[in-house]
Amino acid sequence: SQTIHQWPATLVQPVGSPLSLECTVEGTSNPNLYWYRQAAGRGLQLLFYSVGIGQISSEVPQNLSASRPQDRQFILSSKKLLLSDSGFYLCAWSVSRGFTNEKLFFGSGTQLSVL
Amino acid sequence: GENVEQHPSTLSVQEGDSAVIKCTYSDSASNYFPWYKQELGKGPQLIIDIRSNVGEKKDQRIAVTLNKTAKHFSLHITETQPEDSAVYFCAASSTGSWGKLQFGAGTQVVVTP
Repeated sequence: SQTIHQWPATLVQPVGSPLSLECTVEGTSNPNLYWYRQAAGRGLQLLFYSVGIGQISSEVPQNLSASRPQDRQFILSSKKLLLSDSGFYLCAWSVSRGFTNEKLFFGSGTQLSVL
Repeated sequence: GENVEQHPSTLSVQEGDSAVIKCTYSDSASNYFPWYKQELGKGPQLIIDIRSNVGEKKDQRIAVTLNKTAKHFSLHITETQPEDSAVYFCAASSTGSWGKLQFGAGTQVVVTP
């Protein structure tokens, strides 16, 4: 069966510090990968998605970047964190079926607090 | 682009009663509608989904209905239990969107014993 791992679970970082959140998927190959952000008490906003190694699409302009160095690894980064980067970050994956929509499965999330 | 509106934002029900959450979408090309349940501090969990070629789908105490003409879909939970307390999100996507989901704002459901 497929599993998705996301870490760390919680992170407290000072403003201006770098960020690296990692996500890996097991039990499948060539998945579509996604990073979502959820502000407190709010819905989910798509930040980045990837349909293959090195292929990243950004949905909103921001202080963050994403990379996919391996087939089942997705990394969210920032060079200098802002207060507004605080939130609950969720990695997700889906089976790749060309451009058809498939079930999306989420990781357990990282609660990021920028102070 | 797609816009999904979800109502109500909070819903309190007595244990054993039914709960209904409604969502509307704007893009007539949307053809996939999942529902997620999120417990505090955890990632959303897919609980049921429906595609546009189906009007209704049921899984034990959970059912989803879809009205393509009116562009709305609903989640129905029957015989609610305290463990149904969570935030529920509806979402929509269309073929060609690479699986990207547009989410509603969420509904906080509280089931009181």
